[in-house]
Amino acid sequence: DADVTQTPRNRITKTGKRIMLECSQTKGHDRMYWYRQDPGLGLRLIYYSFDVKDINKGEISDGYSVSRQAQAKFSLSLESAIPNQTALYFCATSDLQGGGQHFGDGTRLSIL
Amino acid sequence: KQEVTQIPAALSVPEGENLVLNCSFTDSAIYNLQWFRQDPGKGLTSLLLIQSSQREQTSGRLNASLDKSSGRSTLYIAASQPGDSATYLCAVRHTGTASKLTFGTGTRLQVTL
Repeated sequence: DADVTQTPRNRITKTGKRIMLECSQTKGHDRMYWYRQDPGLGLRLIYYSFDVKDINKGEISDGYSVSRQAQAKFSLSLESAIPNQTALYFCATSDLQGGGQHFGDGTRLSIL
Repeated sequence: KQEVTQIPAALSVPEGENLVLNCSFTDSAIYNLQWFRQDPGKGLTSLLLIQSSQREQTSGRLNASLDKSSGRSTLYIAASQPGDSATYLCAVRHTGTASKLTFGTGTRLQVTL
């Protein structure tokens, strides 16, 4: 089983719909992150969380919200999806000791 | 603001060649640098992590170096194989800003038979 699991893997939806992407991890890491990847722009940080009570905005948080339900679960919501939120979304985790980040397989989201 | 650049954007080499991928960053105040591999439609697989106090890290046929003062890292792949074909991303973690990473846009590598 993957250490960082994202669901769903693919989603096609319409403009204006509310979408939730979920991430769970079995690595026991405290820190979790959401990124989006767009062609030519690389990965950009949306939100990150250092523990259940800690939520921080990244560089592109507008239009998104997150919830850290437990140490192992971090969900990303699009309250009212728009076409320019079509992208590949990644969840990642890291520990407190300065280790690297570990990524899930991504969610490909298409908004029509 | 930290900027990370990877050159070239794409590279095609015949099987067996040794090759170097480049990564440069504008702010040398980094905590560590991480190299990833991404296969089409897949997630990121961590290849090597270099702490700011280190000069290089090795794993199998891969060797990554870090020159923090000049803002450069290289990923050396020895005896390339078709299975090495993927996009390679470097990412720097800043000091003082928790664990946030800034990514380059990647080098797309194709190793031909």
